Amino acid sequence: EAGVAQSPRYKIIEKRQSVAFWCNPISGHATLYWYQQILGQGPKLLIQFQNNGVVDDSQLPKDRFSAERLKGVDSTLKIQPAKLEDSAVYLCASSSRQSGNIQYFGAGTRLSVL
Amino acid sequence: GIQVEQSPPDLILQEGANSTLRCNFSDSVNNLQWFHQNPWGQLINLFYIPSGTKQNGRLSATTVATERYSLLYISSSQTTDSGVYFCAVDHSGGGADGLTFGKGTHLIIQP
Repeated sequence: EAGVAQSPRYKIIEKRQSVAFWCNPISGHATLYWYQQILGQGPKLLIQFQNNGVVDDSQLPKDRFSAERLKGVDSTLKIQPAKLEDSAVYLCASSSRQSGNIQYFGAGTRLSVL
Repeated sequence: GIQVEQSPPDLILQEGANSTLRCNFSDSVNNLQWFHQNPWGQLINLFYIPSGTKQNGRLSATTVATERYSLLYISSSQTTDSGVYFCAVDHSGGGADGLTFGKGTHLIIQP
């Protein structure tokens, strides 16, 4: 079974530029999560989707971050415009009721904002 | 929101030693997972253990839900066990079940 796929693995941009990350969850997983992990800290939830609907986006900085999961499968997270403090690893995870709601994580996208 | 505290923050051991990592949480949980983050940043699932005891090879975990803590045991440590160990919990009880992570325990196993 293929795991959670993310791309790109690395991205370097200048502040005020925009950037987008892509995630393809494990096949059949209805729930998809985006987390932000700043260096030296544990991951923090940004947004959770159930199929193509948003379940929780209470910690998403909506003035600059947006996310979508239009067909209920893969998802895109966008930052526009980026700030220096957005430098972090962005992790995607997925889960399903059938697999006991265990969350499985992708390898992440490491973003550096200069 | 729920608080998750992990201890110790750092641990340096010799190869072959045993270790115990602790996770305390401030409220009841529906989900508790232990992860190992390897040097490349990949979060690897170790255990899904909201209650009870599980074992997988040299690793085992116990969660005492009524006392709001979980323990991860690593026996006969190997250098490949090095990395950061995270405890993460969900206590929502509803559809919003994103995990709240602790700050992690940074484990270094020396040869």
